[in-house]
Amino acid sequence: QKEVEQDPGPLSVPEGAIVSLNCTYSNSAFQYFMWYRQYSRKGPELLMYTYSSGNKEDGRFTAQVDKSSKYISLFIRDSQPSDSATYLCAMTTLTQGGSEKLVFGKGTKLTVNP
Amino acid sequence: DGGITQSPKYLFRKEGQNVTLSCEQNLNHDAMYWYRQDPGQGLRLIYYSQIVNDFQKGDIAEGYSVSREKKESFPLTVTSAQKNPTAFYLCASSLSGRETQYFGPGTRLLVL
Repeated sequence: QKEVEQDPGPLSVPEGAIVSLNCTYSNSAFQYFMWYRQYSRKGPELLMYTYSSGNKEDGRFTAQVDKSSKYISLFIRDSQPSDSATYLCAMTTLTQGGSEKLVFGKGTKLTVNP
Repeated sequence: DGGITQSPKYLFRKEGQNVTLSCEQNLNHDAMYWYRQDPGQGLRLIYYSQIVNDFQKGDIAEGYSVSREKKESFPLTVTSAQKNPTAFYLCASSLSGRETQYFGPGTRLLVL
């Protein structure tokens, strides 16, 4: 079983739709949970960062963490064509050297159609 | 502007050749990282460095080497021992190694 599982999609929705992106994980030691957005042929950019169970909202984006179920979600409200990108979930654990190591899901490719 | 720069944007490697990818940051971050991304795959950690003159292997270090002679620079060499080097290479940095990682724009390596 992979440490982080993410449905690769692709996911295609009409403009204005609510989008739900999800990841499950198996390692209880994961401490922090992130969502990155990656446009085609670009580096990932940090979108949301959470560390506790519950919801965190930032504009049209809501990150949800359920540590008991080992499940995280990203919701996008009123989706726009500019939201079309690959969304990567990532989780942190500590290396032997004490620094944080990011473990990534494979990414979900989202297309928002005008 | 503060940020992470990677060069070149595209790099072509011939069989048996070593190539070096550049990563520079002016964020004054201590920790730097190299990841490899293959189509439909998540990012996989190659090497990371928490401080100057020190670095550790990640999950897929075989066929790669790094150096960290300056805080702002963390070049990655893809050696001839790496048999499947075609991928998108991403450099990242974080303030202390226990903070959020920020990524550069990436270098796409292709084999001729």
